[in-house]
Amino acid sequence: QVQLVESGGGLVKPGGSLRLSCAASGITISDNYMSWIRQAPGKGLEWISYISSRSVYTNYVDSVKGRFTISRDNAKNSLYLQMNSLRAEDTAVYYCAPTKDASGSPFEYWGQGTLVTVSS
Amino acid sequence: SYVLTQPPSVSVAPGETAMITCGGNNIGSKSVHWYQQKPGQAPVLVIYYDSDRPSGIPERFSGSNSGNTATLTISRVEAGDEADYYCQVWDGSSDHLRVFGGGTKLTV
Repeated sequence: QVQLVESGGGLVKPGGSLRLSCAASGITISDNYMSWIRQAPGKGLEWISYISSRSVYTNYVDSVKGRFTISRDNAKNSLYLQMNSLRAEDTAVYYCAPTKDASGSPFEYWGQGTLVTVSS
Repeated sequence: SYVLTQPPSVSVAPGETAMITCGGNNIGSKSVHWYQQKPGQAPVLVIYYDSDRPSGIPERFSGSNSGNTATLTISRVEAGDEADYYCQVWDGSSDHLRVFGGGTKLTV
C-alpha cells in the first residue's frame, strides 16, 4: 500500500523559511518523478514544482521560482521542498505526489498534506 | 500558459446524471485526468487518460475528451459523490507543465 506522509508545515512569519518533507512507503520514489502541489484555503489545486527521478531536471511555477527549491533523497525514499522568502499567498496545504514521467501521467497517489501558514 | 476552465458548481438530484466540463484550447489533443476531493481530504484520481478508471472507482464514473472540451460524467449520482472535481492536463508548451482546472463543486 502506497503511503505518502508530508511534514514540516507550520506557522511562519512573512519572509521566513520552512522545509517540507515527504516520506514515501510502498513505492520506490527513485522510479518516479515527484511533484509538490498546493491548495490555498478554499481554493483549487496548484502544481508548483517537480523533480526528475535522478534530480537532473526540476521545474517550478513562476510564483515560487527563486524562492522554493525541490530536492530528493532516493536512499531515504524522501522528497523535500525548501521554501524561503515566504509570503502570505504561500499559505496552503502542500501535497507531494509521484508520477511515472515528466509529461502526461496522472497523480495516482497523494499524501494527506501539510499546512503552511504565513502570517505575522 | 494553458488555461482550463470549469464551471464553479453543478447541481444534480440523486439518481440523475452529472456532467462536469473542462474547457481548454484544443484540449482534445491532450490527456485529461480528473480528481475528486471531499472536504478535508486529499484528492483522489477518478479518471485518467481521458476515460480510464483506476481500480476501485465505480463504473458510474466516465470521461470523454474532444475538441475544446473534456467531460466527466457521473451516472446514477449518489449523495457520496458530492465533492469538488478537478481536471488536469500536461502542457508541454509552457513552464507550468501540469495544469489544474479551477474545480467544480458537485452538489447532490
